[in-house]
Amino acid sequence: KQEVTQIPAALSVPEGENLVLNCSFTDSAIYNLQWFRQDPGKGLTSLLLIQSSQREQTSGRLNASLDKSSGRSTLYIAASQPGDSATYLCAVRMYQFYFGTGTSLTVIP
Amino acid sequence: GAGVSQSPSNKVTEKGKDVELRCDPISGHTALYWYRQSLGQGLEFLIYFQGNSAPDKSGLPSDRFSAERTGGSVSTLTIQRTQQEDSAVYLCASSSQGAGTEAFFGQGTRLTVV
Repeated sequence: KQEVTQIPAALSVPEGENLVLNCSFTDSAIYNLQWFRQDPGKGLTSLLLIQSSQREQTSGRLNASLDKSSGRSTLYIAASQPGDSATYLCAVRMYQFYFGTGTSLTVIP
Repeated sequence: GAGVSQSPSNKVTEKGKDVELRCDPISGHTALYWYRQSLGQGLEFLIYFQGNSAPDKSGLPSDRFSAERTGGSVSTLTIQRTQQEDSAVYLCASSSQGAGTEAFFGQGTRLTVV
């Protein structure tokens, strides 16, 4: 059974710092990996999608990498801003999505 | 529509009543997923549709839960005889055909059973 783990569970950083969120998964037979953002009381907003054949994807200040063979992905956020404060979830897709429990990020002004 | 739409956004119901939650996927998306997020918990898979068929219903927690999808579009999740432990946010997602495609989530329905 696929298990997805995210470390750290919570992170608090001052504004402007670069940071890395980690995601690991146990079964490498995935189609893709998707990073989401969830604001309190809201749904999930898709940030980045990495296909299983890809190594990384970039969108603005966000960069996600994927090492499928080792079962790891990282989300790099450059020059963090208070508006980045949210819970970040990674999900690996087989035919359904398997989610990690998320990293709660607080960026302090 | 522009995104996945779920209704109602909030629902308060009395224990023992039946509720229906609706999901309108993005037009043309053939895959549709229901997930549940309980307070402080991760996302729990409920059911997956490909077109109108549900190849995997294994996540439905009990026989009080059922879901259907008609016309390859709108899906309804029905919970019969609601219990307090059913209180959660129910999230729907859709994606176009093919497991490698990006999934988009709705804003969810917050269900409170009192």
